Amino acid sequence: DSGVTQTPKHLITATGQRVTLRCSPRSGDLSVYWYQQSLDQGLQFLIQYYNGEERAKGNILERFSAQQFPDLHSELNLSSLELGDSALYFCASSQRLEGYTFGSGTRLTVV
Amino acid sequence: ILNVEQSPQSLHVQEGDSTNFTCSFPSSNFYALHWYRWETAKSPEALFVMTLNGDEKKKGRISATLNTKEGYSYLYIKGSQPEDSATYLCAFFNQAGTALIFGKGTTLSVSS
Repeated sequence: DSGVTQTPKHLITATGQRVTLRCSPRSGDLSVYWYQQSLDQGLQFLIQYYNGEERAKGNILERFSAQQFPDLHSELNLSSLELGDSALYFCASSQRLEGYTFGSGTRLTVV
Repeated sequence: ILNVEQSPQSLHVQEGDSTNFTCSFPSSNFYALHWYRWETAKSPEALFVMTLNGDEKKKGRISATLNTKEGYSYLYIKGSQPEDSATYLCAFFNQAGTALIFGKGTTLSVSS
């Protein structure tokens, strides 16, 4: 157990639907990062939150949004889902100057 | 656009062979370079965080070097074992960035 908890592990949903992925960071970590890994792609940075505030945005679609709550857990909301959104979504947390600790990921399948 | 390139894309070696991979990154405004090991059906795990030009880090049979002036890092595995089979990712962090930019990784397969 890395200390970063992601739920659910698997999600199958239809096109056009909306889903929420959840992440609890490692105890003490204020930063949460969301990454997407699609087929043949590396880990693509989506968005970062630090202590409840959005810190940086990467290649995140407008249909996607995220937030970090006062207890530091984070949710990634994906709406109007398309087949191409099928991917492995990772959450990671870190302390400054340390490596990232990744969760086990959520595998999203859009059918 | 920041680009992190890793080579080779994949590699097959025999048990006992030593091997190395390359990570290339933009040399300007360097802040940190990370290496991760990603085993199948698991999540990436941090191996090294490197910040200084000329840095050399070691963990068991795995070591890494860093050249920030020319923008590359090497990861070395000495005496590869089947349990070293994994994808090795490098990730770059520049001074303006707040999140790691990952390469696509080098997938190592070690046969016994």
